[in-house]
Amino acid sequence: DAKTTQPNSMESNEEEPVHLPCNHSTISGTDYIHWYRQLPSQGPEYVIHGLTSNVNNRMASLAIAEDRKSSTLILHRATLRDAAVYYCILRDSPIIQGAQKLVFGQGTRLTINP
Amino acid sequence: DSGVTQTPKHLITATGQRVTLRCSPRSGDLSVYWYQQSLDQGLQFLIHYYNGEERAKGNILERFSAQQFPDLHSELNLSSLELGDSALYFCASSPPSRREGATQYFGPGTRLLVL
Repeated sequence: DAKTTQPNSMESNEEEPVHLPCNHSTISGTDYIHWYRQLPSQGPEYVIHGLTSNVNNRMASLAIAEDRKSSTLILHRATLRDAAVYYCILRDSPIIQGAQKLVFGQGTRLTINP
Repeated sequence: DSGVTQTPKHLITATGQRVTLRCSPRSGDLSVYWYQQSLDQGLQFLIHYYNGEERAKGNILERFSAQQFPDLHSELNLSSLELGDSALYFCASSPPSRREGATQYFGPGTRLLVL
């Protein structure tokens, strides 16, 4: 599984934008970039995913570098509820046996200050 | 609420014992995954079932086994428990796969404490 590198922790203030970086220099052409987050005392939850183009949904935006070796998850206006561990995960084509599993790294622990 | 249910929420048992964790996937999801989250190892994939068949195995110990039943619920059996098996166990389900990988929906987890 291709590896991702994220900062261990980040801190931001409520109602400000947050940019969470992820490096994935060994990404392959078939790898999709997925983000999940885990709120305190809960199971992980899906945030967003993309392949090459930037993506937006109601939770966040995903900006993918042109060479795809890095990406950034953007929370446009952080709230206290966004305090969580954010995981950047590369997922290979599901055609490959076993590719459906999620391989979690250490993630980034995001703290939001009131 | 993800729609995935897990029972029990908490489990306290002794070393050497055997326990069964239960997971009910979201309605319509055929895939069930089990993950273990411990303080030192983080979140680790254990096993994946699709429509009753085992599809992939991760770092699952031989003392652990799982199955998925015809009604699609799944059970994770942990036997000869050791102190190091204390962890959070998550179940996730997903709809049929897409090219980019189907979203996994996680349950609230079962917290296992082995004393």
